[in-house]
Amino acid sequence: GAGVSQTPSNKVTEKGKYVELRCDPISGHTALYWYRQSLGQGPEFLIYFQGTGAADDSGLPNDRFFAVRPEGSVSTLKIQRTERGDSAVYLCASSQGMRETQYFGPGTRLLVL
Amino acid sequence: EDQVTQSPEALRLQEGESSSLNCSYTVSGLRGLFWYRQDPGKGPEFLFTLYSAGEEKEKERLKATLTKKESFLHITAPKPEDSATYLCAVQANGALTFGSGTRLQVQP
Repeated sequence: GAGVSQTPSNKVTEKGKYVELRCDPISGHTALYWYRQSLGQGPEFLIYFQGTGAADDSGLPNDRFFAVRPEGSVSTLKIQRTERGDSAVYLCASSQGMRETQYFGPGTRLLVL
Repeated sequence: EDQVTQSPEALRLQEGESSSLNCSYTVSGLRGLFWYRQDPGKGPEFLFTLYSAGEEKEKERLKATLTKKESFLHITAPKPEDSATYLCAVQANGALTFGSGTRLQVQP
């Protein structure tokens, strides 16, 4: 079956601009996670959803970052007033339940100039 | 705070030369320890989940083991296609806490 998909695969933007990153989870998976990965590092947790609600957003670095999952399926990560330090690979994962195995998408590579 | 430390950072092996990767962790209430493989430019690919000390799992040339403080990923007779970054992660609640990974290169 189809895995987790993320769009766009690459995004180049200018400092100060607004960006949206999209994640389509595996069909039927109720839990959805966002992580951020810098070069040479492991993924770092940002936020996760159980259904439509954010169950834990403790990893969001500041209030420029926001994520939604209005219908309990697709999720969008929104970054306002982007900074060069936001440049990274943003990974999405989904699982059947909160403590089940997480399956990752290919990531969106964000470059802020 | 949950912490995961992986060693070595990088490992170069000859084809057929077996070795082990280490993952040391501290976590409050371990729900699971996960191993993933990540190829350049791709997302992590799930390999194993271990839940309790003494548990072992195998898949082809890979075998993962777990103690109360660390996990090992043993690679037996590796092939060049095993070259990748291997990530270890722990889960206490929902989110995974990852180590920085071990970059494995297997030369023919």
